[in-house]
Amino acid sequence: SQQGEEDPQALSIQEGENATMNCSYKTSINNLQWYRQNSGRGLVHLILIRSNEREKHSGRLRVTLDTSKKSSSLLITASRAADTASYFCATDEGSQGNLIFGKGTKLSVKP
Amino acid sequence: DARVTQTPRHKVTEMGQEVTMRCQPILGHNTVFWYRQTMMQGLELLAYFRNRAPLDDSGMPKDRFSAEMPDATLATLKIQPSEPRDSAVYFCASGLQGINTGELFFGEGSRLTVL
Repeated sequence: SQQGEEDPQALSIQEGENATMNCSYKTSINNLQWYRQNSGRGLVHLILIRSNEREKHSGRLRVTLDTSKKSSSLLITASRAADTASYFCATDEGSQGNLIFGKGTKLSVKP
Repeated sequence: DARVTQTPRHKVTEMGQEVTMRCQPILGHNTVFWYRQTMMQGLELLAYFRNRAPLDDSGMPKDRFSAEMPDATLATLKIQPSEPRDSAVYFCASGLQGINTGELFFGEGSRLTVL
């Protein structure tokens, strides 16, 4: 089952620009996480935001969460070519704690 | 440097053969997840263990797939018999879960090709 759905599916920007990716989900959650995956590698955790938080920052990353709209956004500021990767949101599903991933946004940052 | 270790990294096999993928979670972690990644379906949850007990394997085709945790340092995913549609990258991830599911640490994946 797919809980989170990212938008857009692909995003191409120039170095120095900001990149915004969105995630929508269907059921209530305890927290939402964002992960990054470089080509051919495993996923790497970026940031976790709890359901009672609205915004969280980590370095050049800013995540927002709107539980009334069941949506989240990931903003990468001042992007670099090294940010080129796929980005996934993941949500937990109730008491079992399953972590379900969306299909991801493929970000390409051109130097 | 703690990490999740998966073996094999690459596997090419013929249809009908048995395939076993292994995962060593990070020491002290109490949850283990198996995911399958394909271009078409993205990341699909196959199985989820907490304290070595299977909590959810609803995403796993039961007739040919099985997942186990013989001990806290080893998780296995077996496919028997394998089919071409099983070709994918299989990821294992582990985490330390309290009340809710937190950060997961992923292995580098096992790329399976079934001919």
